[in-house]
Order: sequence, then structure tokens, then C-alpha cells
Amino acid sequence: SQTIHQWPATLVQPVGSPLSLECTVEGTSNPNLYWYRQAAGRGLQLLFYSIGIDQISSEVPQNLSASRPQDRQFILSSKKLLLSDSGFYLCAWTADILYGYTFGSGTRLTVV
Amino acid sequence: TQLLEQSPQFLSIQEGENLTVYCNSSSVFSSLQWYRQEPGEGPVLLVTVVTGGEVKKLKRLTFQFGDARKDSSLHITAAQPGDTGLYLCAGRSTQGGSEKLVFGKGTKLTVNP
Repeated sequence: SQTIHQWPATLVQPVGSPLSLECTVEGTSNPNLYWYRQAAGRGLQLLFYSIGIDQISSEVPQNLSASRPQDRQFILSSKKLLLSDSGFYLCAWTADILYGYTFGSGTRLTVV
Repeated sequence: TQLLEQSPQFLSIQEGENLTVYCNSSSVFSSLQWYRQEPGEGPVLLVTVVTGGEVKKLKRLTFQFGDARKDSSLHITAAQPGDTGLYLCAGRSTQGGSEKLVFGKGTKLTVNP
């Protein structure tokens, strides 16, 4: 069966520090991968999605970046965090969008 | 940009009551999904509707996709405390880049015992 792992679960980082969040999927190949951010009262905002290695689309201009070094690994990064980067970050995958996303358990990021 | 508006934003009811939440857009979607999210966890898919006018039932939950595929509703019969959570609708765009979903802001449901 397919599983998705996302870590860490919580993170407190100072302003200006770097960020690296990791997401891996097991039990499938060539998944579509997604990074969403959820702020209170704002629903889910799509940040990046990838339909294959080295195929990453950015949805929102910001100081975040994403990489997909392996087929089932998706990394969200920042060189310098801002206060506004605080939020709940969710990774998701799908083999076919018609069947919906499977989300990871999320990372609660607080930038102080 | 295709947007999905959900209403109400918050809903607090007593156990046993019925409720309906709505998901509306001015845009057409090729499919629409409903998710439920509990605090501190990722959303979990409940249902996908594809055909205009389609109705799907999942135990006490009834989902309907509008005839024009611009709106959807979720009706819960005899709500239970376990139904508490954030209900999110998500639509698959018919525009370019259709391998992504657009999410509404959600309806936060609280069912009191």
C-alpha cells in the first residue's frame, strides 16, 4: 500500500534562518507531488506541484523553493524565513487527480 | 483564477441535527472533491463527484454536484460529535495545468453532544 511521510511535525525557527521540509512517498512510482500551506481562515494555498523529476511548477511568488531530487521525494526550502512563512505545511500525492490527493500529516512551522 | 466559496464558514449544532454546507463558484470544474480535516492532521478525501447533477451517499453524508458543475453541497443527516472537523471542497480546474486542485477555505463544523 502507498504511504506518505512528512517531517518534522513541528518546527520553530527564527526569522532569517533556512528551512528544509521533506516529504517522501512509498509504494508507488512517478506520483504527482504537491506542497500546500494552510493559514488560519485561508484554506489551502498551493505553493508548488511536480508531475515528475525536474518538473516543478511554482504557484505563488515567494521566498520558498521546491526540489524533487528523487522520484518519490519532494523538498520545500527557504534560504531566509520571514514571519509570514508561519503556517501549516502539507505535502500531498496522487497517481490520478480524479481519485484525489493523499495528504501527509503536516508540519506546523512557527517563525519567531 | 478559479475560486471556490464555501458557506457557512462556521457551523455549531447539536447532536442529531441535520445540516447542509455549500461550495460555489462562477467557474466550471471537471470534477469536485470533498475532504474532512481534523486539527493538526492532513485532509482526508471523502468523495469525488464528476458528472453534473451527480449525487453520492456515504452513510449519513450526501454529496451533490450541480448540473452546471459550478457548485456542490454536502448534507449530513443526524450529525454526531465524530462529524466535527473542517470540511473542504476542492475542484479540478478545466483550464491549463489541470493536474492541481483549487481548495475552498472550508466550513468548520462543531457537533455538540
